[in-house]
Amino acid sequence: SQQGEEDPQALSIQEGENATMNCSYKTSINNLQWYRQNSGRGLVHLILIRSNEREKHSGRLRVTLDTSKKSSSLLITASRAADTASYFCAPPVGYNKLIFGAGTRLAVHP
Amino acid sequence: GAVVSQHPSWVICKSGTSVKIECRSLDFQATTMFWYRQFPKQSLMLMATSNEGSKATYEQGVEKDKFLINHASLTLSTLTVTSAHPEDSSFYICSALLGGATKYNEQFFGPGTRLTVL
Repeated sequence: SQQGEEDPQALSIQEGENATMNCSYKTSINNLQWYRQNSGRGLVHLILIRSNEREKHSGRLRVTLDTSKKSSSLLITASRAADTASYFCAPPVGYNKLIFGAGTRLAVHP
Repeated sequence: GAVVSQHPSWVICKSGTSVKIECRSLDFQATTMFWYRQFPKQSLMLMATSNEGSKATYEQGVEKDKFLINHASLTLSTLTVTSAHPEDSSFYICSALLGGATKYNEQFFGPGTRLTVL
């Protein structure tokens, strides 16, 4: 089954720095979603980018999608301690299913 | 908008008992919901797809008689862990599909239910 593979597996930065996480996938998609999970909590939907979009912004988040390389990136600018979480990309399987990879564990230190 | 709730948020039960977890879409209708399981420090594993008014579709390796799913209405799906054992202890998360199969598959997740089986 298709799943996103996030890179790096873990990222540790200081507050105020930018954090970049990458995602690769295997088959053609019509959209890709990014989610955040705080420890012991559910997932929070961050952004959905469609296959005809190359870049999308939401607040301090910037997502890019390169369908030719089957890759996506999530950039968090001016990171805060509250951004500490695991981040998952989710390319779809068929219309509806999402198969999650291991995620990127981001730690933002004050 | 697009809020999904789960109840209970945590439950402790004795081995051999059954536990029911509810997943509700609060401000939208969801013909399709999903159930995931997550072990500590691991990713979410899709267990099954819950379809309103029809049988759930289980992923390979998930016992359908062990994990009973009922999607009785457009806003409620339930997962019952039958004859629970300590190895069933996990974090169970549901999600609801916004927009149906004709839209991009934007899923919204519940806060999760932590099950501990003694």
